Amino acid sequence: DSGVTQTPKHLITATGQRVTLRCSPRSGDLSVYWYQQSLDQGLQFLIQYYNGEERAKGNILERFSAQQFPDLHSELNLSSLELGDSALYFCASSVVAGGRNEQFFGPGTRLTVL
Amino acid sequence: GENVEQHPSTLSVQEGDSAVIKCTYSDSASNYFPWYKQELGKRPQLIIDIRSNVGEKKDQRIAVTLNKTAKHFSLHITETQPEDSAVYFCALHDSGYALNFGKGTSLLVTP
Repeated sequence: DSGVTQTPKHLITATGQRVTLRCSPRSGDLSVYWYQQSLDQGLQFLIQYYNGEERAKGNILERFSAQQFPDLHSELNLSSLELGDSALYFCASSVVAGGRNEQFFGPGTRLTVL
Repeated sequence: GENVEQHPSTLSVQEGDSAVIKCTYSDSASNYFPWYKQELGKRPQLIIDIRSNVGEKKDQRIAVTLNKTAKHFSLHITETQPEDSAVYFCALHDSGYALNFGKGTSLLVTP
């Protein structure tokens, strides 16, 4: 157990819908990262927050957004869902924003878009 | 983000043999190189990492080597066991804060 929690574990929804994925980082970790893992694309970095502020953006679609709240938990919002958004979404957390920065991954949320 | 090439994509070895996975990159600013192991349906877990001021690091049966001049780093697993079967990802920090991952190597260790 990494100490990072994610809910829900599984999510099944239809195209065009909107979902919210939630992540609670390890106690004391200020940075939260979101990754998407699909079969053909591997692990893709989406976005990072540090202490409530957006720090870096990766291959995140405009239909996706995220935020980090004062209690440091983070939510990833996915809207106008398409079949291709079906993937495993991981959240990771770390103590610092950069440098040697071990990231601890949560168990993931498996999103299925039908 | 920084492009990380990882080879091979699949690797099958017999129990007791060694396995080597190699990653190459292009950004000389990269300074942190972790390796993650992901078992089927589970989260990626860090197994070893190396910083750019070190050429080699070993932890029991696992070692990582880094050649900054040639811009490649490798994972070495000796005396492989069936429980080493998993997908292994190399990663690195680029000039930003996130990790850029290789595409992964599916390692199968057969008894």
